[in-house]
Amino acid sequence: EIVLTQSPATLSVSPGERATLSCRASQTIRNSLAWYQHKPGQAPRLLIYGASTRATGVPARFSGSGSGTEFTLTINSLQSDDLAVYYCQQYNTWPPYMYSFGQGTRLEIK
Amino acid sequence: QVQLVQSGAEVKKPGSSVRVSCKASGGTFGNYAISWVRQAPGQRLEWLGGITPIFGTANYAQKFQGRVTITADTSTNTAYMEMSSLRSEDTAIYYCAKDFITAVENGGNPYNWYDPWGQGTLVTVSS
Repeated sequence: EIVLTQSPATLSVSPGERATLSCRASQTIRNSLAWYQHKPGQAPRLLIYGASTRATGVPARFSGSGSGTEFTLTINSLQSDDLAVYYCQQYNTWPPYMYSFGQGTRLEIK
Repeated sequence: QVQLVQSGAEVKKPGSSVRVSCKASGGTFGNYAISWVRQAPGQRLEWLGGITPIFGTANYAQKFQGRVTITADTSTNTAYMEMSSLRSEDTAIYYCAKDFITAVENGGNPYNWYDPWGQGTLVTVSS
């Protein structure tokens, strides 16, 4: 089973600054990684897929990078609306079907 | 753009079963798979399984094989997730989500990344 480990668990950033979130896979997943933004009481929102492709409607402030086992989500010019938990997800393995998520990074706005 | 609308919250006794529905609004499932993901309190998101409604083929995470049944009705554009032998640890928000690309586009694998998601259904298992 591929385990995704996100760091840090909580990140506190001031408005206008940059947030850098990390996701590490326990074995290589090539670029089969997505990032989601999850706000309380809402469904998760797709931000990035293929490790670096922004989903439709996602602001250019959000960018993804990495391949293999190390991945990064960068949020530039942080806004108060970016307050959320961010999850990475891998979809590399099949069969058997095992799609896993990281434990999440909670982004707080200072 | 299709939206996924899930059924309402459920409260169940340990040992019972629950069925959650997920209806496509404003479109159909097409050739795309529908995955089911849950999040228990304080836990990470967890993939339960999925189905490609047009083919009726379901697949499950090993952990849930035999306890979760995923079906779909293409005439009503609705997918279902049924979980049996419920225990307190199954208390969670259950989401359906549309897999973004088809199996043909993904080298034969119908499951990939998810967009959109349903609004979530809270299932509480308590005596």
